[in-house]
Amino acid sequence: DGGITQSPKYLFRKEGQNVTLSCEQNLNHDAMYWYRQDPGQGLRLIYYSQIVNDFQKGDIAEGYSVSREKKESFPLTVTSAQKNPTAFYLCASSIGQSSYEQYFGPGTRLTVT
Amino acid sequence: GQQVMQIPQYQHVQEGEDFTTYCNSSTTLSNIQWYKQRPGGHPVFLIQLVKSGEVKKQKRLTFQFGEAKKNSSLHITATQTTDVGTYFCAGPGSTDSWGKLQFGAGTQVVVTP
Repeated sequence: DGGITQSPKYLFRKEGQNVTLSCEQNLNHDAMYWYRQDPGQGLRLIYYSQIVNDFQKGDIAEGYSVSREKKESFPLTVTSAQKNPTAFYLCASSIGQSSYEQYFGPGTRLTVT
Repeated sequence: GQQVMQIPQYQHVQEGEDFTTYCNSSTTLSNIQWYKQRPGGHPVFLIQLVKSGEVKKQKRLTFQFGEAKKNSSLHITATQTTDVGTYFCAGPGSTDSWGKLQFGAGTQVVVTP
C-alpha cells in the first residue's frame, strides 16, 4: 500500500486508439510489473521489468508495450492491436532479487468502446 | 508451465462462522504469498510462507504451508464483515528467482450478517 501511483483511475478510449497508463513508484524498488484483471478473475502478468532499460514479456504481452527509462517509472501502452483492452490494470513493484512481496498501485480501469 | 489453483472460487459465510480457502500448485514452491483485494480495491500483501509446514497467524487469520510445499491454506475464524474481499495466493514462477509471481484465480468471500 502506498508508494505507487497510477493515473488516471478511470480511462475511456475509442477503439483503434493507443493509450498509455502511468505507473510511478517512490519505493526505490528495482522490479516493476503490469497485470491485467478481468471481472471475477485473477491477475495475469503483461510485462515485467527487473532493472532500468530492461523488461520481459509476461503471459499476455500481445497488444501491449512498455518502457523502463527511469527506475521509478514503468508506463504501459495499450495498443490498438489489443483485441479486448477493457479491463482493470494494476501496476506493482518489488525490491527485486530474492524478494517476492509485491506492492500494488490503486489501478486504472480502462474502458474501450 | 506452473499452475496455481484456488478453491473454492466463491465462499459465502455467515458472520461469526469459520472458513478455509485452499491453494494448490502443480510444482514445489520456494515460498507462497497471500494477498487480499477488497471490492473495488487493489491487492494488498498479507503474508509470505517459506518453510515446509510453516504456520503463521494474524489475529483471526491462520496461514499454513504444506509439508511438500505444494499447497497452502488460509483459515479465518469468527468471520467479520471486514473480511469481505478476494483472497489470492501466489507463488514464484518455476524458473524465476526474481520476484515474478504466478497468482491463483482467488477466492471471493462474501459475508452475510
